[in-house]
Amino acid sequence: GDSVTQMEGPVTLSEEAFLTINCTYTATGYPSLFWYVQYPGEGLQLLLKATKADDKGSNKGFEATYRKETTSFHLEKGSVQVSDSAVYFCALMNSGYSTLTFGKGTMLLVSP
Amino acid sequence: GAGVSQSPSNKVTEKGKDVELRCDPISGHTALYWYRQSLGQGLEFLIYFQGNSAPDKSGLPSDRFSAERTGGSVSTLTIQRTQQEDSAVYLCASSQEAGAFNSNEQFFGPGTRLTVL
Repeated sequence: GDSVTQMEGPVTLSEEAFLTINCTYTATGYPSLFWYVQYPGEGLQLLLKATKADDKGSNKGFEATYRKETTSFHLEKGSVQVSDSAVYFCALMNSGYSTLTFGKGTMLLVSP
Repeated sequence: GAGVSQSPSNKVTEKGKDVELRCDPISGHTALYWYRQSLGQGLEFLIYFQGNSAPDKSGLPSDRFSAERTGGSVSTLTIQRTQQEDSAVYLCASSQEAGAFNSNEQFFGPGTRLTVL
């Protein structure tokens, strides 16, 4: 079946550091890929998405590129802020299905 | 309302009791999803409703779990004879339509934290 693997956290960074959170997936067909974010005390929010190979999703300074050859969708940000501290979930939705398959989440902690 | 709402926000129950969790989707959204977020398991799909079609129950972990969606709007997730391993945050989401081809965004509610003692 489909699955998503994320790097385990927590990831701890200082403000303005470069962020990478790795995500790889296993799926048949041609899934759409997503990053969701859960800020402390809040619900899950869509951060960015990509629907086909080589697409780049971006939002709030975060980026991720859909790499079919490496089945990856790594999340990056050039300069993190304290306000980026949250749990980040990589997810996929396979073609022909309507439900999301999530990774286990990666906690990011950014200190001033 | 502006977003997906869920109630209660917290529920503590004793092992063996039944619980009902409620989800109010965004008005006009035809698709509704239930997920479970637990330590060690991450986020897991439970059940999905699309319009008047039969729900996709493939994620329900046991026959103690069931869900209804009345009038194409509000949904109730029921857990019978709760067990300690049912302790988790239960998340509801809705989208305008379903289907991966247009990747309709799923909007999530704040969740219900269930604790089974």
